[in-house]
Amino acid sequence: DSGVTQTPKHLITATGQRVTLRCSPRSGDLSVYWYQQSLDQGLQFLIQYYNGEERAKGNILERFSAQQFPDLHSELNLSSLELGDSALYFCASSVVLTGAADTQYFGPGTRLTVL
Amino acid sequence: GDSVTQMEGPVTLSEEAFLTINCTYTATGYPSLFWYVQYPGEGLQLLLKATKADDKGSNKGFEATYRKETTSFHLEKGSVQVSDSAVYFCALSSSSNTGKLIFGQGTTLQVKP
Repeated sequence: DSGVTQTPKHLITATGQRVTLRCSPRSGDLSVYWYQQSLDQGLQFLIQYYNGEERAKGNILERFSAQQFPDLHSELNLSSLELGDSALYFCASSVVLTGAADTQYFGPGTRLTVL
Repeated sequence: GDSVTQMEGPVTLSEEAFLTINCTYTATGYPSLFWYVQYPGEGLQLLLKATKADDKGSNKGFEATYRKETTSFHLEKGSVQVSDSAVYFCALSSSSNTGKLIFGQGTTLQVKP
């Protein structure tokens, strides 16, 4: 158990809908990262938050957004869903901001299926 | 931009065989290098890491050495077990001001008894 929790575990929805994925980082970790794992794109970095502020963006679509709340949990919002958004979405957390050498601890993921 | 290339799988080995999974990277500066493992139905777990050239990361019998001259970080284990069956990801984190990970495509390892 990494200490990172993600809810829900599975989500099945229809095209055009909007969903929210939730992540609670390990106690004491200030950085939260979101990654998408799909068969065609592999594991890709989406976005990073540190202590409530956005710090880095990767290949995140404009239909996707995220935020980190004062209690440090984070939510990833996916809207106008398309079939191609079906994937496993991971949240990871780490202690520091710059952390090139820091270990990221991954949650179990949320599997999103768009029908 | 930065990238990681892993050998394609799946890799199928018999128990107690020697394992090598190749990983090479392209990066500016001096990245940190990681191997993560994903067991079926689970999230990623850090297996080992190395933060500078010539460092050797090791854990659970797995080893990898950060080779700057060949830009490689190959994963090795002397004797694999059935329980090592999983997907292995090589990743890097650049020296910029974010710790975001860039992953290779993953290599599936299947170990048969």
